[in-house]
Amino acid sequence: TQLLEQSPQFLSIQEGENLTVYCNSSSVFSSLQWYRQEPGEGPVLLVTVVTGGEVKKLKRLTFQFGDARKDSSLHITAAQPGDTGLYLCAGVGGSQGNLIFGKGTKLSVKP
Amino acid sequence: DTAVSQTPKYLVTQMGNDKSIKCEQNLGHDTMYWYKQDSKKFLKIMFSYNNKELIINETVPNRFSPKSPDKAHLNLHINSLELGDSAVYFCASTLSGANVLTFGAGSRLTVL
Repeated sequence: TQLLEQSPQFLSIQEGENLTVYCNSSSVFSSLQWYRQEPGEGPVLLVTVVTGGEVKKLKRLTFQFGDARKDSSLHITAAQPGDTGLYLCAGVGGSQGNLIFGKGTKLSVKP
Repeated sequence: DTAVSQTPKYLVTQMGNDKSIKCEQNLGHDTMYWYKQDSKKFLKIMFSYNNKELIINETVPNRFSPKSPDKAHLNLHINSLELGDSAVYFCASTLSGANVLTFGAGSRLTVL
């Protein structure tokens, strides 16, 4: 079974700071997804990256897929309190072709 | 209209009891899942159904029995609840081959 390692596990920053969250694996993934989960809610898809080296932007969020398709990063510029949540990366790689998740990065942005 | 709805949202019960969680989706998806999220927020797949047929059954105690009466519903019944079953259970759905999941809001189960 493929594994996805996320770092850091926890991140607490001030409003306006920049941050990067990483998702790494020793295995190749055909695509990786990023989800954000807010307290009391289910994860919500932010983006899917498919091509090695691909960069996608969603307002202040920039997602990158590694050239070898084994890793991905999420960069947030000028973080705001509304960015607070659990960020999860996911890829197809379970024993039966199901979506597996990293353990997540819990981000707290203080005003 | 909620796309994936789970009931109940909160469930507090005693050890040894039997309980059920229900899930319904109105997205026209043909594949539904149950995931368990533990206290450390790790999201782990339990079951997957495609068009009412079980296609994924990870290593889950047989006290957990999913049932899919039709492709829009996937329920989870748990027998003889144990303390370690306390978690948030998420239902999710997708179209087969898409691998992009829409999640429900979760059902927090607390076993005392």
